[in-house]
Amino acid sequence: GQQLNQSPQSMFIQEGEDVSMNCTSSSIFNTWLWYKQDPGEGPVLLIALYKAGELTSNGRLTAQFGITRKDSFLNISASIPSDVGIYFCAGQLTGTASKLTFGTGTRLQVTL
Amino acid sequence: SQTIHQWPATLVQPVGSPLSLECTVEGTSNPNLYWYRQAAGRGLQLLFYSVGIGQISSEVPQNLSASRPQDRQFILSSKKLLLSDSGFYLCAWSGTQGETQYFGPGTRLLVL
Repeated sequence: GQQLNQSPQSMFIQEGEDVSMNCTSSSIFNTWLWYKQDPGEGPVLLIALYKAGELTSNGRLTAQFGITRKDSFLNISASIPSDVGIYFCAGQLTGTASKLTFGTGTRLQVTL
Repeated sequence: SQTIHQWPATLVQPVGSPLSLECTVEGTSNPNLYWYRQAAGRGLQLLFYSVGIGQISSEVPQNLSASRPQDRQFILSSKKLLLSDSGFYLCAWSGTQGETQYFGPGTRLLVL
């Protein structure tokens, strides 16, 4: 079955630093999604990518859809304390009910 | 705008008792609906998805079942809970093309 490898598993950074995380897949996806989950809450969609090579920004967040369609990365610039949480990538094949395959998550801790 | 609700937020149940978790979506028609389970510190596992009333697809064999009695209502059930059913249960919806999924706030279930 499809698997998503997400790295790093966890990160401890200082406020103001930039962050980079990525996902790689054994299969090709048509869509890449990045979510953030705060403790005890549901994941919130950050960025959606629909085309190979696409680079999309949302405020301090930038994500790219890899050319091979088997990978994606997420960058966070100038991190702030509220960036703390777990970040998940998810790949999707277009079609009826398009099921998501999730990465294992990157736990981000930001120190002052 | 669309909103998704889950009820209850937290539930503590004894082993062997029944379960019923409810998910409702507002502001959209004929959504695709999904049930996920998230073990502590882990990624999301898709349990069921539905593309319409009465249409349920199961992803993994388990002690749970799902039903969709109305267009915007998705219910997760069990006749007899197991200890291993403990976890964080998330409902999500997407448009009929399944382009992106949006998650509810989740239900934390503890089986004792």
